[in-house]
Amino acid sequence: DAGVIQSPRHEVTEMGQEVTLRCKLISGHNSLFWYRQTMMRGLELLIYFNNNVPIDDSGMPEDRFSAKMPNASFSTLKIQPSEPRDSAVYFCASSQASPATDTQYFGPGTRLTVL
Amino acid sequence: QKEVEQNSGPLSVPEGAIASLNCTYSDRGSQSFFWYRQYSGKSPELIMFIYSNGDKEDGRFTAQLNKASQYVSLLIRDSQPSDSATYLCAVKPSGTYKYIFGTGTRLKVLA
Repeated sequence: DAGVIQSPRHEVTEMGQEVTLRCKLISGHNSLFWYRQTMMRGLELLIYFNNNVPIDDSGMPEDRFSAKMPNASFSTLKIQPSEPRDSAVYFCASSQASPATDTQYFGPGTRLTVL
Repeated sequence: QKEVEQNSGPLSVPEGAIASLNCTYSDRGSQSFFWYRQYSGKSPELIMFIYSNGDKEDGRFTAQLNKASQYVSLLIRDSQPSDSATYLCAVKPSGTYKYIFGTGTRLKVLA
């Protein structure tokens, strides 16, 4: 089975530009998590969805960040306008959230550099 | 106090030794506990999860959970240079599906 798929794997952009990161869940999973990882702050949860519904977006840094889940298997994270401090590795993870199992599986990540 | 705390390391152990990684958490109602391994430049990879007090073994790895003392540990027996990585502890608080991650412990296994 294919794991979590993310694209692009690397993104270099200039300050002020719009950035869109994409994630495809593992087939059969119903929960999706967007994380950001930096050396200074470690792995931070930005937002998570369950059955396409955003459950907790308290980690989204500010209004420049938005996330959508238009269908059960796909999500986007958009940053508009981007700033240099947004440079980080962005991971998405999926799980089959249920009382019996809730293990999260991570995608390969998108390394974002904002110049 | 951070919700999930880990010593950042690096923890250096000789090849063949036992590596012991520790994690403490603040939410007493936490139900699920996970250990992830992350190689430099790669994504976190699940090693083990544990839900009940006591030990859980999987190959060279043993997870230990003590809910009364609010700590979880990971033992790696017969450490190999390929085990050199950052190990992330994650805790799932009660009533939610989200994880709280520690900042990770960097392990170096010396050949």
